[in-house]
Order: sequence, then C-alpha cells, then structure tokens
Amino acid sequence: EIVLTQSPTTMAASPGEKVTLTCRASSSVSYMYWYQQKSGTSPKLWIYDTSKLASGVPNRFSGSGSGTSYSLTISSMETEDTATYYCQQGRSYPPTFGAGTKLELK
Amino acid sequence: EVQLQESGPGLVKPSQSLSLTCSVTGYSITSNYWGWIRKFPGNKMEWMGYISYSGSTSYNPSLKSRISITRDTSKNQFFLQLNSVTTEDTATYYCARLWRRDYFDYWGQGVMVTVSS
Repeated sequence: EIVLTQSPTTMAASPGEKVTLTCRASSSVSYMYWYQQKSGTSPKLWIYDTSKLASGVPNRFSGSGSGTSYSLTISSMETEDTATYYCQQGRSYPPTFGAGTKLELK
Repeated sequence: EVQLQESGPGLVKPSQSLSLTCSVTGYSITSNYWGWIRKFPGNKMEWMGYISYSGSTSYNPSLKSRISITRDTSKNQFFLQLNSVTTEDTATYYCARLWRRDYFDYWGQGVMVTVSS
C-alpha cells in the first residue's frame, strides 16, 4: 500500500501568514485529497482532485502537486483555519491517509 | 442534502464482534460507494472497506478475514461487522460516501467504540 508522509506534524502560524502543508507519497499517485478536521467533529472534504476546492472552502486555500509530492497552501492564515489537515490517496487501493498536520494559531 | 449517521454500541468485549449501522438520508445507497473508516487514538486513520451501489464489497487486506459490510436497501442503511476484536480495534468509526471510489465527500459524525473487558 502507498504510505503518505505529512510534514510538519504540527505547526503554528500567525494571522495573515502564508502556510504550506506537505504530503509525500511512497509511490506516484494520480490525485491527492485533503480533509480538515476540527476537534470533536468529523473530517470534512477540503480539496479534491489535487487542486479543486470543496464546496464552501475559502479561496485562500489552494492545492497543488503531482507524482509523489503534494501540498496544501493557505495564502493568509485566519483563526478559523486552526485544525488538523489530512491528505488521502484513493486511486491505488487500499486508500490510505497521512498522519495529519495540526495547524495552530501563533 | 446527503447525511449519514452511525449507531451502535460504544463498548465491546475482546473476542466479540463489533456491529455498527450507518443510516443514510438524502441519497440512495443504490448509487455510488459507501465506506467505513476508523480513526485510532493518536490520530491514525484507516480505510476499512466499502460496499458499492450493486452490493459488491472491497475490504482493506489488513482486515479481510474479520470484516463484513452489508446493506439493507429498503432502509437505506449499510452495516459494519468486525469479528474477533481486540483492544487495538478501539477507535472512532466513521461511515462516509466514497465518490468515484476515490475520496470521501460526506461523513457521519462518528461513533467511538472502546474494546475492553
């Protein structure tokens, strides 16, 4: 199965700061998916097909990447963005998830 | 709007079976794919398996001998059974719609299951 490695594990960002979260796959994948999870709630689809924003996701978020390296970027950090973000690949079965990046407010 | 809700016991004894129900509203389970995912303490997430619109199933090889996913289309529900559980099966269990067999676009709220004697 494909192993997804997310970095950093935890990070803190100041309001207005640009944030980049990384997900690396052990083998090439076609697309990457990202989920946002806040404490006590279920994961929400955030980015699909590598770069498409799910419904309701602010356009300060973007996704990019190909092959084995993917990223989620926040152009300007806001308080409401504090959460854990997970990447997931689905085209190579079984679907697998990264361990998550916890994003905190500085 | 598509909504999913898990239900089932929060405590299961070791060696017994874990059984959960996912009730779906707003969309028929005879379309698309429907999966189970679990999140362990410490945040690791694992896809467990899915049942398709036709009733076919696919399971994570790590669970293949212990897992069964079935459905009741008349009630628009699908079910998870995990046999011979151990404390390592303690997790929050989620059901979700699996779009194109690729990604999970709608999730239930999750049910925490503890395996303990």
